[in-house]
Amino acid sequence: GQNIDQPTEMTATEGAIVQINCTYQTSGFNGLFWYQQHAGEAPTFLSYNVLDGLEEKGRFSSFLSRSKGYSYLLLKELQMKDSASYLCALSRDTGFQKLVFGTGTRLLVSP
Amino acid sequence: DTEVTQTPKHLVMGMTNKKSLKCEQHMGHRAMYWYKQKAKKPPELMFVYSYEKLSINESVPSRFSPECPNSSLLNLHLHALQPEDSALYLCASSQDAAGADTQYFGPGTRLTVL
Repeated sequence: GQNIDQPTEMTATEGAIVQINCTYQTSGFNGLFWYQQHAGEAPTFLSYNVLDGLEEKGRFSSFLSRSKGYSYLLLKELQMKDSASYLCALSRDTGFQKLVFGTGTRLLVSP
Repeated sequence: DTEVTQTPKHLVMGMTNKKSLKCEQHMGHRAMYWYKQKAKKPPELMFVYSYEKLSINESVPSRFSPECPNSSLLNLHLHALQPEDSALYLCASSQDAAGADTQYFGPGTRLTVL
């Protein structure tokens, strides 16, 4: 089985930096994804980590430590439109890829 | 282009109805997925198709019947659903089902069962 933990809610101010943590326990680890989901919409891909370290993509960065079962998503220069749920998802190799989502972190960005 | 389309956008059906959800992608992806998402919960995997063959069924009740007519299309046939089946149904696709290819999601079908 697997266990994925994320904070339920976070709040931040426009222009600030926020870090959303994800801890996990799993077998057959094949990578970790971060998705953004606005209310009532589909999840959209943000980042993917399979090796330890930091992946940077514009205002978004994601970090992975496989030995610690830990990842974070860093959002810089926050904008109001960044208010959304952020889903950490494990890719498990069971012969076929299975994506297992954490419960998601609802981020509210205020002016 | 990373677009996955789904129709209809909204669907209301009675417990005795039969309806179908449709999903389409033209990215040449060979893996397609159905997920179910209840309000304020994460998506949960239902089915995985790889090269048009059903590869994973996550113990989904038989009132949900998936079909992959070709590599671009994925259907989900619904029959005798229960009110608790009301949810957002998301389709996704990826290059391959083996490995960790990025899954791209469609906008979903919001299903209400009366």
